Amino acid sequence: DAGVIQSPRHEVTEMGQEVTLRCKPISGHDYLFWYRQTMMRGLELLIYFNNNVPIDDSGMPEDRFSAKMPNASFSTLKIQPSEPRDSAVYFCASSLVSNQPQHFGDGTRLSIL
Amino acid sequence: AQSVTQPDIHITVSEGASLELRCNYSYGATPYLFWYVQSPGQGLQLLLKYFSGDTLVQGIKGFEAEFKRSQSSFNLRKPSVHWSDAAEYFCAVGGTGGGNKLTFGTGTQLKVEL
Repeated sequence: DAGVIQSPRHEVTEMGQEVTLRCKPISGHDYLFWYRQTMMRGLELLIYFNNNVPIDDSGMPEDRFSAKMPNASFSTLKIQPSEPRDSAVYFCASSLVSNQPQHFGDGTRLSIL
Repeated sequence: AQSVTQPDIHITVSEGASLELRCNYSYGATPYLFWYVQSPGQGLQLLLKYFSGDTLVQGIKGFEAEFKRSQSSFNLRKPSVHWSDAAEYFCAVGGTGGGNKLTFGTGTQLKVEL
């Protein structure tokens, strides 16, 4: 079975540009999570969806960040405008039902110059 | 609020030696506990999970963990470490009291000496 698929794997862009990260969860999984990982702050939950509906976005750092899930097989995390401090590895994860293990994608390594 | 503490940031062991990685949690209800492993450039992979029942759980790659409610701990163990086990290990807690959110520890970086 295909796992969680994220694209791109690497993104390098200049400050001020819009960045869009993409995620395809495992088919049939009802929950989708976006995390950010940095050396300083570790792994942080940004937002999660249940059945395509955002449930908790309290981890989204600023209004520059937005996430959507237009259907059960696709989600995006957008940063506009991007800043150097947004540089991190962004992970998407999905799970079948509440409190089941989350399955992680390989992440997008984002560098904002 | 739920929290996880992994007191060891770095651990170095010799190949073939035993391993124990510590994890302490704080959770207001019955916790669900997880250990994940992350190799460089990759996402987190589930090693094992505890929901209920037998407090000693077996996972993949020869790992096991023991849930001790009285100590609020869920330590990860392996009797004989292989060089390929070098990675970062994360403990996480979740449960019915916190929705479907997992709280992760800060991770323990394992180095294996040959």
